[in-house]
Amino acid sequence: KAGVTQTPRYLIKTRGQQVTLSCSPISGHRSVSWYQQTPGQGLQFLFEYFSETQRNKGNFPGRFSGRQFSNSRSEMNVSTLELGDSALYLCASSAGTRDYEQYFGPGTRLTVT
Amino acid sequence: AQSVTQLGSHVSVSEGALVLLRCNYSSSVPPYLFWYVQYPNQGLQLLLKYTSAATLVKGINGFEAEFKKSETSFHLTKPSAHMSDAAEYFCAVSERGNNDMRFGAGTRLTVKP
Repeated sequence: KAGVTQTPRYLIKTRGQQVTLSCSPISGHRSVSWYQQTPGQGLQFLFEYFSETQRNKGNFPGRFSGRQFSNSRSEMNVSTLELGDSALYLCASSAGTRDYEQYFGPGTRLTVT
Repeated sequence: AQSVTQLGSHVSVSEGALVLLRCNYSSSVPPYLFWYVQYPNQGLQLLLKYTSAATLVKGINGFEAEFKKSETSFHLTKPSAHMSDAAEYFCAVSERGNNDMRFGAGTRLTVKP
């Protein structure tokens, strides 16, 4: 079974631009969660989507948004990029049936200049 | 809100020695607890999880952790360290088993030959 895939793996953007990151979960998984990882703040939960609906949301500004498609693939969008948005963005998928096991992708490294 | 504290941002052990990584949690309801490992430039891999069954949890790669409610702890141990165990380890907690996991700051494990 293929793992969680994230594209692109690396991205360089300029302040003020917007960016879209993509995550394809493990086949059959209906839940996708997004996390931001930075040296200063560590791993922080952004949001979770389950069956195309946002089920949980972390404490991030509205510039961070996401969506999930009917095939469970998810995208995360960050608008009006700031330097502080430079981070590793990790996507995790789970069956969503409360088995509590999340499988993480390799992440997208976003650098904002 | 739930949270975890990992004691020691860096731990160094000799190959073959005991590995002990400390994690204390705070949760207003019975928690679900996890240990993840992250190798450089990779996502997180689940080592083990506690979901209110046996208090001693065995995971992959010879790791185990014991849930101690009285001490609000979930320390990770491995009897004999291997060079391949060198990585960053994260303790995480979630309430009610939702996918809004809160991670500790991480502990970087170094294994000396």
